[in-house]
Amino acid sequence: GEQVEQRPPHLSVREGDSAVITCTYTDPNSYYFFWYKQEPGASLQLLMKVFSSTEINEGQGFTVLLNKKDKRLSLNLTAAHPGDSAAYFCAVLRNTNTGKLTFGDGTVLTVKP
Amino acid sequence: DAGVTQTPRHEVAEKGQTIILKCEPVSGHNDLFWYRQTKIQGLELLSYFRSKSLMEDGGAFKDRFKAEMLNSSFSTLKIQPTEPKDSAVYLCASSLGWGGYEQYFGPGTRLTVL
Repeated sequence: GEQVEQRPPHLSVREGDSAVITCTYTDPNSYYFFWYKQEPGASLQLLMKVFSSTEINEGQGFTVLLNKKDKRLSLNLTAAHPGDSAAYFCAVLRNTNTGKLTFGDGTVLTVKP
Repeated sequence: DAGVTQTPRHEVAEKGQTIILKCEPVSGHNDLFWYRQTKIQGLELLSYFRSKSLMEDGGAFKDRFKAEMLNSSFSTLKIQPTEPKDSAVYLCASSLGWGGYEQYFGPGTRLTVL
């Protein structure tokens, strides 16, 4: 079955620095890819969904890059601020006949003032 | 629109008790998921329903965990009997299902088993 490896498990940066979280997956037939954010004590919130081949998506203060050739998904927070401190999870959907996602183990990001 | 709701938000149980957690998915969603989240194990899938039919029942959890979906707008997760190692946050999520739709998560139930 699909396996998703997320790195790093913990990341600490200074305010204004960039932070990059990367996921690699094994199944080349994977179709959809997601990033979720979980603030302390809260549930998971969707940050972004991507599905095309090599693609860059920009959100509020972050960029998501998907490289299907390398089977790699990354989340880049361009200028982190303390409000970005949270756990981040990538998730992969293998095919559209199932709604089941395969999650990475998460990255705990700490942004220090 | 109401999101995924879960009750109770916190539950404290004695070892050996039976507890029932409840979830209401987003109206119109076809898929419903139960997860357990701990710091050590991360997110673990307990059960997956599509249109009320059980699609997957997490193998390691079959023993004392039973999820049911009696109608499209309500699901329960029963843990019987509870053990201290069941202490975790239990998350319910729902999605439209087909076509690569994202999952929407509820606020979770924090279970503590003494």
